Amino acid sequence: QDQLVESGGGVVQPGRSLRLSCVGSGFTFSRYPMHWVRQAPGKGLEWVAFISSDGSNENYADSVKGRFTLFRDNSKETLSLYMNSLGADDTAVYYCARLKWDLIGTAHYYHGLDVWGQGTTVTVSS
Amino acid sequence: DIQLTQSPSFLSASVGDRVTITCRASQGITNSLAWYQQRPGKVPRLLIYAASTLQGEVPSRFSGSASETEFTLTISSLQPEDSATYYCQQLHTYQFTFGPGTKVNIK
Repeated sequence: QDQLVESGGGVVQPGRSLRLSCVGSGFTFSRYPMHWVRQAPGKGLEWVAFISSDGSNENYADSVKGRFTLFRDNSKETLSLYMNSLGADDTAVYYCARLKWDLIGTAHYYHGLDVWGQGTTVTVSS
Repeated sequence: DIQLTQSPSFLSASVGDRVTITCRASQGITNSLAWYQQRPGKVPRLLIYAASTLQGEVPSRFSGSASETEFTLTISSLQPEDSATYYCQQLHTYQFTFGPGTKVNIK
């Protein structure tokens, strides 16, 4: 069964850093681009970051650009999100998710996030 | 950046009703749109991708359609387990924005 498990959440003071991890199992992790999505308490889904299957391309939401960095280790089937300069607005449940995609010719078609972890909660508070 | 709006933000309907949710993109995104369902306290679930393709094991009462920058999610006959918030997401650019969500309540 395809599965993602996040860890690393917790309570952190404003301005501090935190690293989230996501481990994949049941599928060939290295074949899939991956995302982080977060959800603040009582709010909607917010896309956070994307990393290509080989780790060569990353993209970030404007709200986290310059503060968050995404890294993957395909040999360990692990995705890591390094979060710096955390503020109260970063308080949320953080989900890692797998991107369903197809390659047709030389074009990549991104379909949607078809496997999600259970989420890890980050609370930024003094 | 591409913005997505959803309407309505909330709807209440009865079991068996036909329900339609609309997602509008601020610019063209071809058919690069997905729909998700998030039940209370649960993880989001992919329902539809490429605007109209049903994800595996999703009931056939769910369907999606597209017209220019307007996308529609339809539930043909609402069931109690469909009580949830529904989100659209664009995958046309590398800023994979979500819509604000539509909460569906069962009367």
